Amino acid sequence: AQSVTQPDIHITVSEGASLELRCNYSYGATPYLFWYVQSPGQGLQLLLKYFSGDTLVQGIKGFEAEFKRSQSSFNLRKPSVHWSDAAEYFCAVDGQNFVFGPGTRLSVLP
Amino acid sequence: DGGITQSPKYLFRKEGQNVTLSCEQNLNHDAMYWYRQDPGQGLRLIYYSQIVNDFQKGDIAEGYSVSREKKESFPLTVTSAQKNPTAFYLCASSPTGFYGYTFGSGTRLTVV
Repeated sequence: AQSVTQPDIHITVSEGASLELRCNYSYGATPYLFWYVQSPGQGLQLLLKYFSGDTLVQGIKGFEAEFKRSQSSFNLRKPSVHWSDAAEYFCAVDGQNFVFGPGTRLSVLP
Repeated sequence: DGGITQSPKYLFRKEGQNVTLSCEQNLNHDAMYWYRQDPGQGLRLIYYSQIVNDFQKGDIAEGYSVSREKKESFPLTVTSAQKNPTAFYLCASSPTGFYGYTFGSGTRLTVV
């Protein structure tokens, strides 16, 4: 069965610092991969997705993610975090089923 | 603009009452989903529907019911059989194929 792990439950970074959120998946083939962001009390917004091709994917709000097949990872990055980036981030995998990771909560210090 | 509308945003009900959460989409998506979100537990799939007049149970369907009479609408009823209904409920939709989901803004249900 496929699964998604996000090893970090909560991450705190200072505004202007770089960010990397980790996502690892377990699936027999290359799945379709997604990152979503959720602000408090809101729905989830799609940040970016990977289907095939270039393993570095650009998304909205200045985010990017890199697919590494050898590591079964799809980590999300941003070079300079803004206070408005504070939210919950979910990695998701679409293989046999659509599975969400448990989420990583991002706090941003002024 | 196309999107998914969930209503109401906040809902309060007394214990033992059934309550129906609305989800409407104008994206012409075939599939629709209901998720429940509790603090620290991520998203759990309640029901999904890939076509009108057909739906499937997800991981936590007990105490819930749905209908899909129109492509645009996928209401969720939280019945009195649901032991712990207080939660944040999210509706989503997707087109056929692997394109990811579009989410509504959610309904927070509080049962007192």
